[in-house]
Amino acid sequence: GQNIDQPTEMTATEGAIVQINCTYQTSGFNGLFWYQQHAGEAPTFLSYNVLDGLEEKGRFSSFLSRSKGYSYLLLKELQMKDSASYLCAVRDTGANNLFFGTGTRLTVIP
Amino acid sequence: DAGITQSPRHKVTETGTPVTLRCHQTENHRYMYWYRQDPGHGLRLIHYSYGVKDTDKGEVSDGYSVSRSKTEDFLLTLESATSSQTSVYFCAIRTGTGEGWGTEAFFGQGTRLTVV
Repeated sequence: GQNIDQPTEMTATEGAIVQINCTYQTSGFNGLFWYQQHAGEAPTFLSYNVLDGLEEKGRFSSFLSRSKGYSYLLLKELQMKDSASYLCAVRDTGANNLFFGTGTRLTVIP
Repeated sequence: DAGITQSPRHKVTETGTPVTLRCHQTENHRYMYWYRQDPGHGLRLIHYSYGVKDTDKGEVSDGYSVSRSKTEDFLLTLESATSSQTSVYFCAIRTGTGEGWGTEAFFGQGTRLTVV
């Protein structure tokens, strides 16, 4: 089976840095994805990791450790518009599907 | 947004009635997906299609059927709607033809379905 865990809610201050963790236990692994979803909107792609290490893209970075079944999304210089849910998803080997965690709702406060 | 349109955007229906949701794309991509999103469960795959008339089940396919008679349209049907099917339904497409998802996956705006 697939088990993907991430915190339900987080709060952070505008201008600060926040790290959203994701742990996974899946029968296979072929990549980990982070999506951003604003309330009432569609998920939009943020990042993709398939090898261990850090991927940086502007204010957002994502880290993966396959041996630990662990990833995090790092958001720097937080802005109010970053208030959204952040979805961690794992692609299983050979499976034509992404398995999603329940999402972390981030609230950015002034 | 890769030209994905879902219709309707909102629907209220009665228990036991059939319901069809439509996903339309304008760019002839091969792979299309239907997900549902519920509090506490995240996004879960219902069915997907890898070509015209080629479909397969996802992890929560019971009570749902799909059809893809042409590349641009992927229909999701609830044969007899139940209250447990109240959810937000998202269509997604994969724009690449290889193994990766990555930036190649785009989601539609969603359909909020309420079964009363």
